[in-house]
Amino acid sequence: DSGVTQTPKHLITATGQRVTLRCSPRSGDLSVYWYQQSLDQGLQFLIQYYNGEERAKGNILERFSAQQFPDLHSELNLSSLELGDSALYFCASSSRESSGNTIYFGEGSWLTVV
Amino acid sequence: GQQLNQSPQSMFIQEGEDVSMNCTSSSIFNTWLWYKQDPGEGPVLLIALYKAGELTSNGRLTAQFGITRKDSFLNISASIPSDVGIYFCAGQLFKAAGNKLTFGGGTRVLVKP
Repeated sequence: DSGVTQTPKHLITATGQRVTLRCSPRSGDLSVYWYQQSLDQGLQFLIQYYNGEERAKGNILERFSAQQFPDLHSELNLSSLELGDSALYFCASSSRESSGNTIYFGEGSWLTVV
Repeated sequence: GQQLNQSPQSMFIQEGEDVSMNCTSSSIFNTWLWYKQDPGEGPVLLIALYKAGELTSNGRLTAQFGITRKDSFLNISASIPSDVGIYFCAGQLFKAAGNKLTFGGGTRVLVKP
């Protein structure tokens, strides 16, 4: 158990809908990262937050957004869903942003868009 | 952007064999991490490397951070059936604008029939 908690574990929704994925980082970790894993693209970085502020953006679509709340949990919002958005979405957390920092992953949220 | 080439893409192992996989990058990293992912699970951290040239072991696993900071390898000695899974290398570069991980494409380890 990495200590990173993600909900829901599985989600099936229709095209055009909107979903929210939730992540609780490890206790004390200030940084949260979101990754998307699909069969053809591998593990792709989406976005990073550090202590409530956006720190880095990767290949995140404009239809997707995220935020980190004062209690450090994070949500990833996916809207106007398309079939191609079906993937495993991972949240990860780390304690700080310096060398020696280690990133731990949650078990992921399986999203199926039908 | 940075890209990681991980090889081999897949390999078959027989119990007791040693296996090796590696990653190369087009640019340098500050940290190299190796993860293992089982089906339906999140990546689990195996080994973290923080200095160029560092050689680190975790049980039957040994990994090294290349001197050039552009490569890393992972060795598994005396493999056992539970070593089956997908292994990912990941590089991390610390910048003011974040310190995301960049992942290799993975090495799928399978058992020889």
